Amino acid sequence: GAGVSQSPSNKVTEKGKDVELRCDPISGHTALYWYRQRLGQGLEFLIYFQGNSAPDKSGLPSDRFSAERTGESVSTLTIQRTQQEDSAVYLCASSLGPTAPAFFGQGTRLTVV
Amino acid sequence: AQSVAQPEDQVNVAEGNPLTVKCTYSVSGNPYLFWYVQYPNRGLQFLLKYITGDNLVKGSYGFEAEFNKSQTSFHLKKPSALVSDSALYFCAVRDILSGAGSYQLTFGKGTKLSVIP
Repeated sequence: GAGVSQSPSNKVTEKGKDVELRCDPISGHTALYWYRQRLGQGLEFLIYFQGNSAPDKSGLPSDRFSAERTGESVSTLTIQRTQQEDSAVYLCASSLGPTAPAFFGQGTRLTVV
Repeated sequence: AQSVAQPEDQVNVAEGNPLTVKCTYSVSGNPYLFWYVQYPNRGLQFLLKYITGDNLVKGSYGFEAEFNKSQTSFHLKKPSALVSDSALYFCAVRDILSGAGSYQLTFGKGTKLSVIP
């Protein structure tokens, strides 16, 4: 596609439920990033995938968070047993290479009630 | 480890005046530096980047940034601010360690720019 696509754009879930967020990167982009942005705050790094290398999971806030990516295609971010503090916008970005900027999707706004 | 600091949470400037949004970084190797802008309820948009070469780089919407290696800074500038420039600005750094090929991208906390008519 022309840009990074994220779905759903909005998600409201009950506390304790699991949610799955999807990211379709720009075709050919080897790097894929997930960030979290709380209201009015900066970007909090969660996880990043680079080709077939082991992902950098150092930003995942707890073991309730996990992410997968198959090859250089779609990625899913899963949050288990959601908590109210998980409410945020989850941003996905992809990049072609080390000198290339990362291009962002519009994000998924997650609200845990 | 790599890090980015944006020392100002908010910058206010009058329309037509020059603006500067500050960014400093810390890396082990050579930095690749980026600026992004986020308009309200919108995703992040890429503005400009520094990879190598000329220390003054020009980007979208009339913005430019100056790379200063000795001060480890990459301040964003614009000669004449517009009300439509009001947004949240993020600086980001990628530390390209020799042989590591890391694509890790670290962002600052953001600076809110308000341009006053």
